[in-house]
Amino acid sequence: QKEVEQNSGPLSVPEGAIASLNCTYSDRGSQSFFWYRQYSGKSPELIMFIYSNGDKEDGRFTAQLNKASQYVSLLIRDSQPSDSATYLCAVKSVRSGGSNYKLTFGKGTLLTVNP
Amino acid sequence: KAGVTQTPRYLIKTRGQQVTLSCSPISGHRSVSWYQQTPGQGLQFLFEYFSETQRNKGNFPGRFSGRQFSNSRSEMNVSTLELGDSALYLCASSLTVSVETQYFGPGTRLLVL
Repeated sequence: QKEVEQNSGPLSVPEGAIASLNCTYSDRGSQSFFWYRQYSGKSPELIMFIYSNGDKEDGRFTAQLNKASQYVSLLIRDSQPSDSATYLCAVKSVRSGGSNYKLTFGKGTLLTVNP
Repeated sequence: KAGVTQTPRYLIKTRGQQVTLSCSPISGHRSVSWYQQTPGQGLQFLFEYFSETQRNKGNFPGRFSGRQFSNSRSEMNVSTLELGDSALYLCASSLTVSVETQYFGPGTRLLVL
């Protein structure tokens, strides 16, 4: 089982719709969960991160975390063509000893928002 | 405030050669992390430096090494290049050892022939 899995897509949604991006992870000891957006030919930029079970909202973006199901998702409301990009999920887990961490990325989901 | 800068932006090398990539963090940022991104493996963490000390390391062979200088600038070196080292190498900086607040640079695209 891959450590962090995402559907590669492409996920296509019409403008104004809700885009739902999903990510599952295998390490139950994972502590922090991140969503990055990466436009073609550009570097990743952090959208948001979440620590606790439940929802975290930031503007049009909502991250949802369910540690029992080892599942994290990102909802994008009122999707815009400018949201078309690859969305990377990343999971941070602390290694034994507590001083080091491991940061693992999924391979990303390509989102296309059609005007 | 200027962002993270990386030099060079593009590089072509041949197998067996070595390469050094440079990263200048955002002013005031003391932590620098390096990542490799390929279509096949995605984005993978290489290592992180803070105050000139390597604080964390990913699962890459010893051919990949790095260092950080007193001004927080960092370099990454890859020795004995292999075709599979062709990738986008990204550097990210943050104020402290915290991936929660890191900002990525534009990357160096390395092609190994």
